[in-house]
Amino acid sequence: GAVVSQHPSWVICKSGTSVKIECRSLDFQATTMFWYRQFPKQSLMLMATSNEGSKATYEQGVEKDKFLINHASLTLSTLTVTSAHPEDSSFYICSARDEGATSYGYTFGSGTRLTVV
Amino acid sequence: DAKTTQPTSMDCAEGRAANLPCNHSTISGNEYVYWYRQIHSQGPQYIIHGLKNNETNEMASLIITEDRKSSTLILPHATLRDTAVYYCIVRVAVGNQFYFGTGTSLTVIP
Repeated sequence: GAVVSQHPSWVICKSGTSVKIECRSLDFQATTMFWYRQFPKQSLMLMATSNEGSKATYEQGVEKDKFLINHASLTLSTLTVTSAHPEDSSFYICSARDEGATSYGYTFGSGTRLTVV
Repeated sequence: DAKTTQPTSMDCAEGRAANLPCNHSTISGNEYVYWYRQIHSQGPQYIIHGLKNNETNEMASLIITEDRKSSTLILPHATLRDTAVYYCIVRVAVGNQFYFGTGTSLTVIP
């Protein structure tokens, strides 16, 4: 089945630095990927829709200049958390759909746990 | 925004069937019902989806009421590994985003 890989699985960074998270579709192409954030004991919150070759679409309340999304190829989307602060510490998850498959849901990555100290 | 409501938590004895309800009273005619689960600190895992007919696969069964305003996910023989948060999501088949509700935390008890 479709596999989505995220890297790194966890990262610790200092306050004020930037962190890049990669999301790759391993065996299929995805023109659209999605980025979610999940705080402890809460549900997943959609942050943005990543579109290959064009600008990402951000959900209301998500700062586009802080969470930079680049979808440069059909198999890779990146999320960069710029000038990270402790309140950005969270579990970040991406997802993508195998558009060559029949009606199906989205495959999710295993997530990246970001800790800002 | 999420269009579903689910109980916050449920318990189920190991080996018994787990029946997880979901209310989606505002569902539109072209919206599917999807079920995912999330085991602690992992990404969500696809379970099953359906439009209006009942569906069954190797993991679970999905029962959708005739008016499509609610559905039930059935895990026929729950194991300890089924302990997870289960999310019911409605969305159009192609192109639209998934918005997660609060989900049901299922605990399978030995």
